[in-house]
Amino acid sequence: AIRMTQSPSSFSASTGDRVTITCRASQGISSYLAWYQQKPGKAPKLLIYAASTLQSGVPSRFSGSGSGTDFTLTISCLQSEDFATYYCQQYYSYPQTFGQGTKLEIK
Amino acid sequence: EVQLVESGGGLVQPGGSLRLSCAASGFTFSSYWMSWVRQAPGKGLEWVANIKQDGSEKYYVDSVKGRFTISRDNAKNSLYLQMNSLRAEDTAVYYCANQEGLRGGAFDIWGQGTMVTVSS
Repeated sequence: AIRMTQSPSSFSASTGDRVTITCRASQGISSYLAWYQQKPGKAPKLLIYAASTLQSGVPSRFSGSGSGTDFTLTISCLQSEDFATYYCQQYYSYPQTFGQGTKLEIK
Repeated sequence: EVQLVESGGGLVQPGGSLRLSCAASGFTFSSYWMSWVRQAPGKGLEWVANIKQDGSEKYYVDSVKGRFTISRDNAKNSLYLQMNSLRAEDTAVYYCANQEGLRGGAFDIWGQGTMVTVSS
């Protein structure tokens, strides 16, 4: 199975900050990567698919980049509603696998 | 309104069985790969199984192979997960989700989840 490793696992930031979360695949996955946001007690929400395509309705402050094994999710200007846990996921091969999550907390 | 609604969760003893259902509305259910994804309490997300639009292909994570069976009824816009020989480690919130793209891509629409607790 392809292992997805996110970094950091958690960190604190302030409203207005620019933040970047990294996801590394244990083998190449082309651009078959998605990013999700999950808030406590809620289902995940798709933010980005195909590594860099913004899902309809998602604010443009979210962006994704990368291909192969290294990917990033960037939030250009943190808003209060962005404090949540973020997951990357590969759908290049089975089993489809998620990263362990990155918890973004308010500083 | 586009939505997925899961049902069928509950408390079951180890070794027991449960059947989860997921009712779809607001989109063309038969056009999408569908998946089950679970999340153990306080843990991350784990893909469990998925099924092709016409049911001709099914895939499972190793930990549930031989115990869980995914199925669908396109006439009823419904997805199912039959879970047998349940173990404590199967305790989780189970979400159904559709997958964008023709080959089963990112999880686009998610249900609210249904809790499965395996305990004596």
